[in-house]
Amino acid sequence: DSGVTQTPKHLITATGQRVTLRCSPRSGDLSVYWYQQSLDQGLQFLIQYYNGEERAKGNILERFSAQQFPDLHSELNLSSLELGDSALYFCASSLSGRAGETQYFGPGTRLLVL
Amino acid sequence: GENVEQHPSTLSVQEGDSAVIKCTYSDSASNYFPWYKQELGKRPQLIIDIRSNVGEKKDQRIAVTLNKTAKHFSLHITETQPEDSAVYFCAASTGLGDSNYQLIWGAGTKLIIKP
Repeated sequence: DSGVTQTPKHLITATGQRVTLRCSPRSGDLSVYWYQQSLDQGLQFLIQYYNGEERAKGNILERFSAQQFPDLHSELNLSSLELGDSALYFCASSLSGRAGETQYFGPGTRLLVL
Repeated sequence: GENVEQHPSTLSVQEGDSAVIKCTYSDSASNYFPWYKQELGKRPQLIIDIRSNVGEKKDQRIAVTLNKTAKHFSLHITETQPEDSAVYFCAASTGLGDSNYQLIWGAGTKLIIKP
């Protein structure tokens, strides 16, 4: 157990809908990362937050947005969902968000868009 | 921007043999290179990492080597065991100095250990 929690574990929804994925970082970690992993694919970095502020942005679609709250938990919002958004979404956390730190991954949320 | 290429995409080795996975990077300012292991249906976990001031690092059966001149780093697993079967991801930091915030990830290598 990495100490990073994600809810829900599974999510099934329809095209055009909107969902929210939630992540709580390890105790003491200030930075949160979101990744998308499609079936048998690599890790696509979406976005990073540090202490409530956006720090780095990857290949995140305009239909997706995220935020980190004062209690440091983070939410990833996915809207106007398409079939291709079906994937495993991981959240990771690290102490201060520098690349030289270990990123601890949560168990992931598996999203299926029908 | 930074690009990380990882090879091979799939590697099948006999149990007990060694496995080597190689990654190349493009940003000469990269200074941190971790390797993560992802077992089927599970989360990625850090198994070993190396910084640019070191050429090699070992942890039991796992080692990582770094060649800064050629901009490549490799994961070596000796005496492979069935539990080594997983997908392995390499990554390289990007940015300058203290602004090395982001990791660029390789596409992953599926390692299959044949009994």
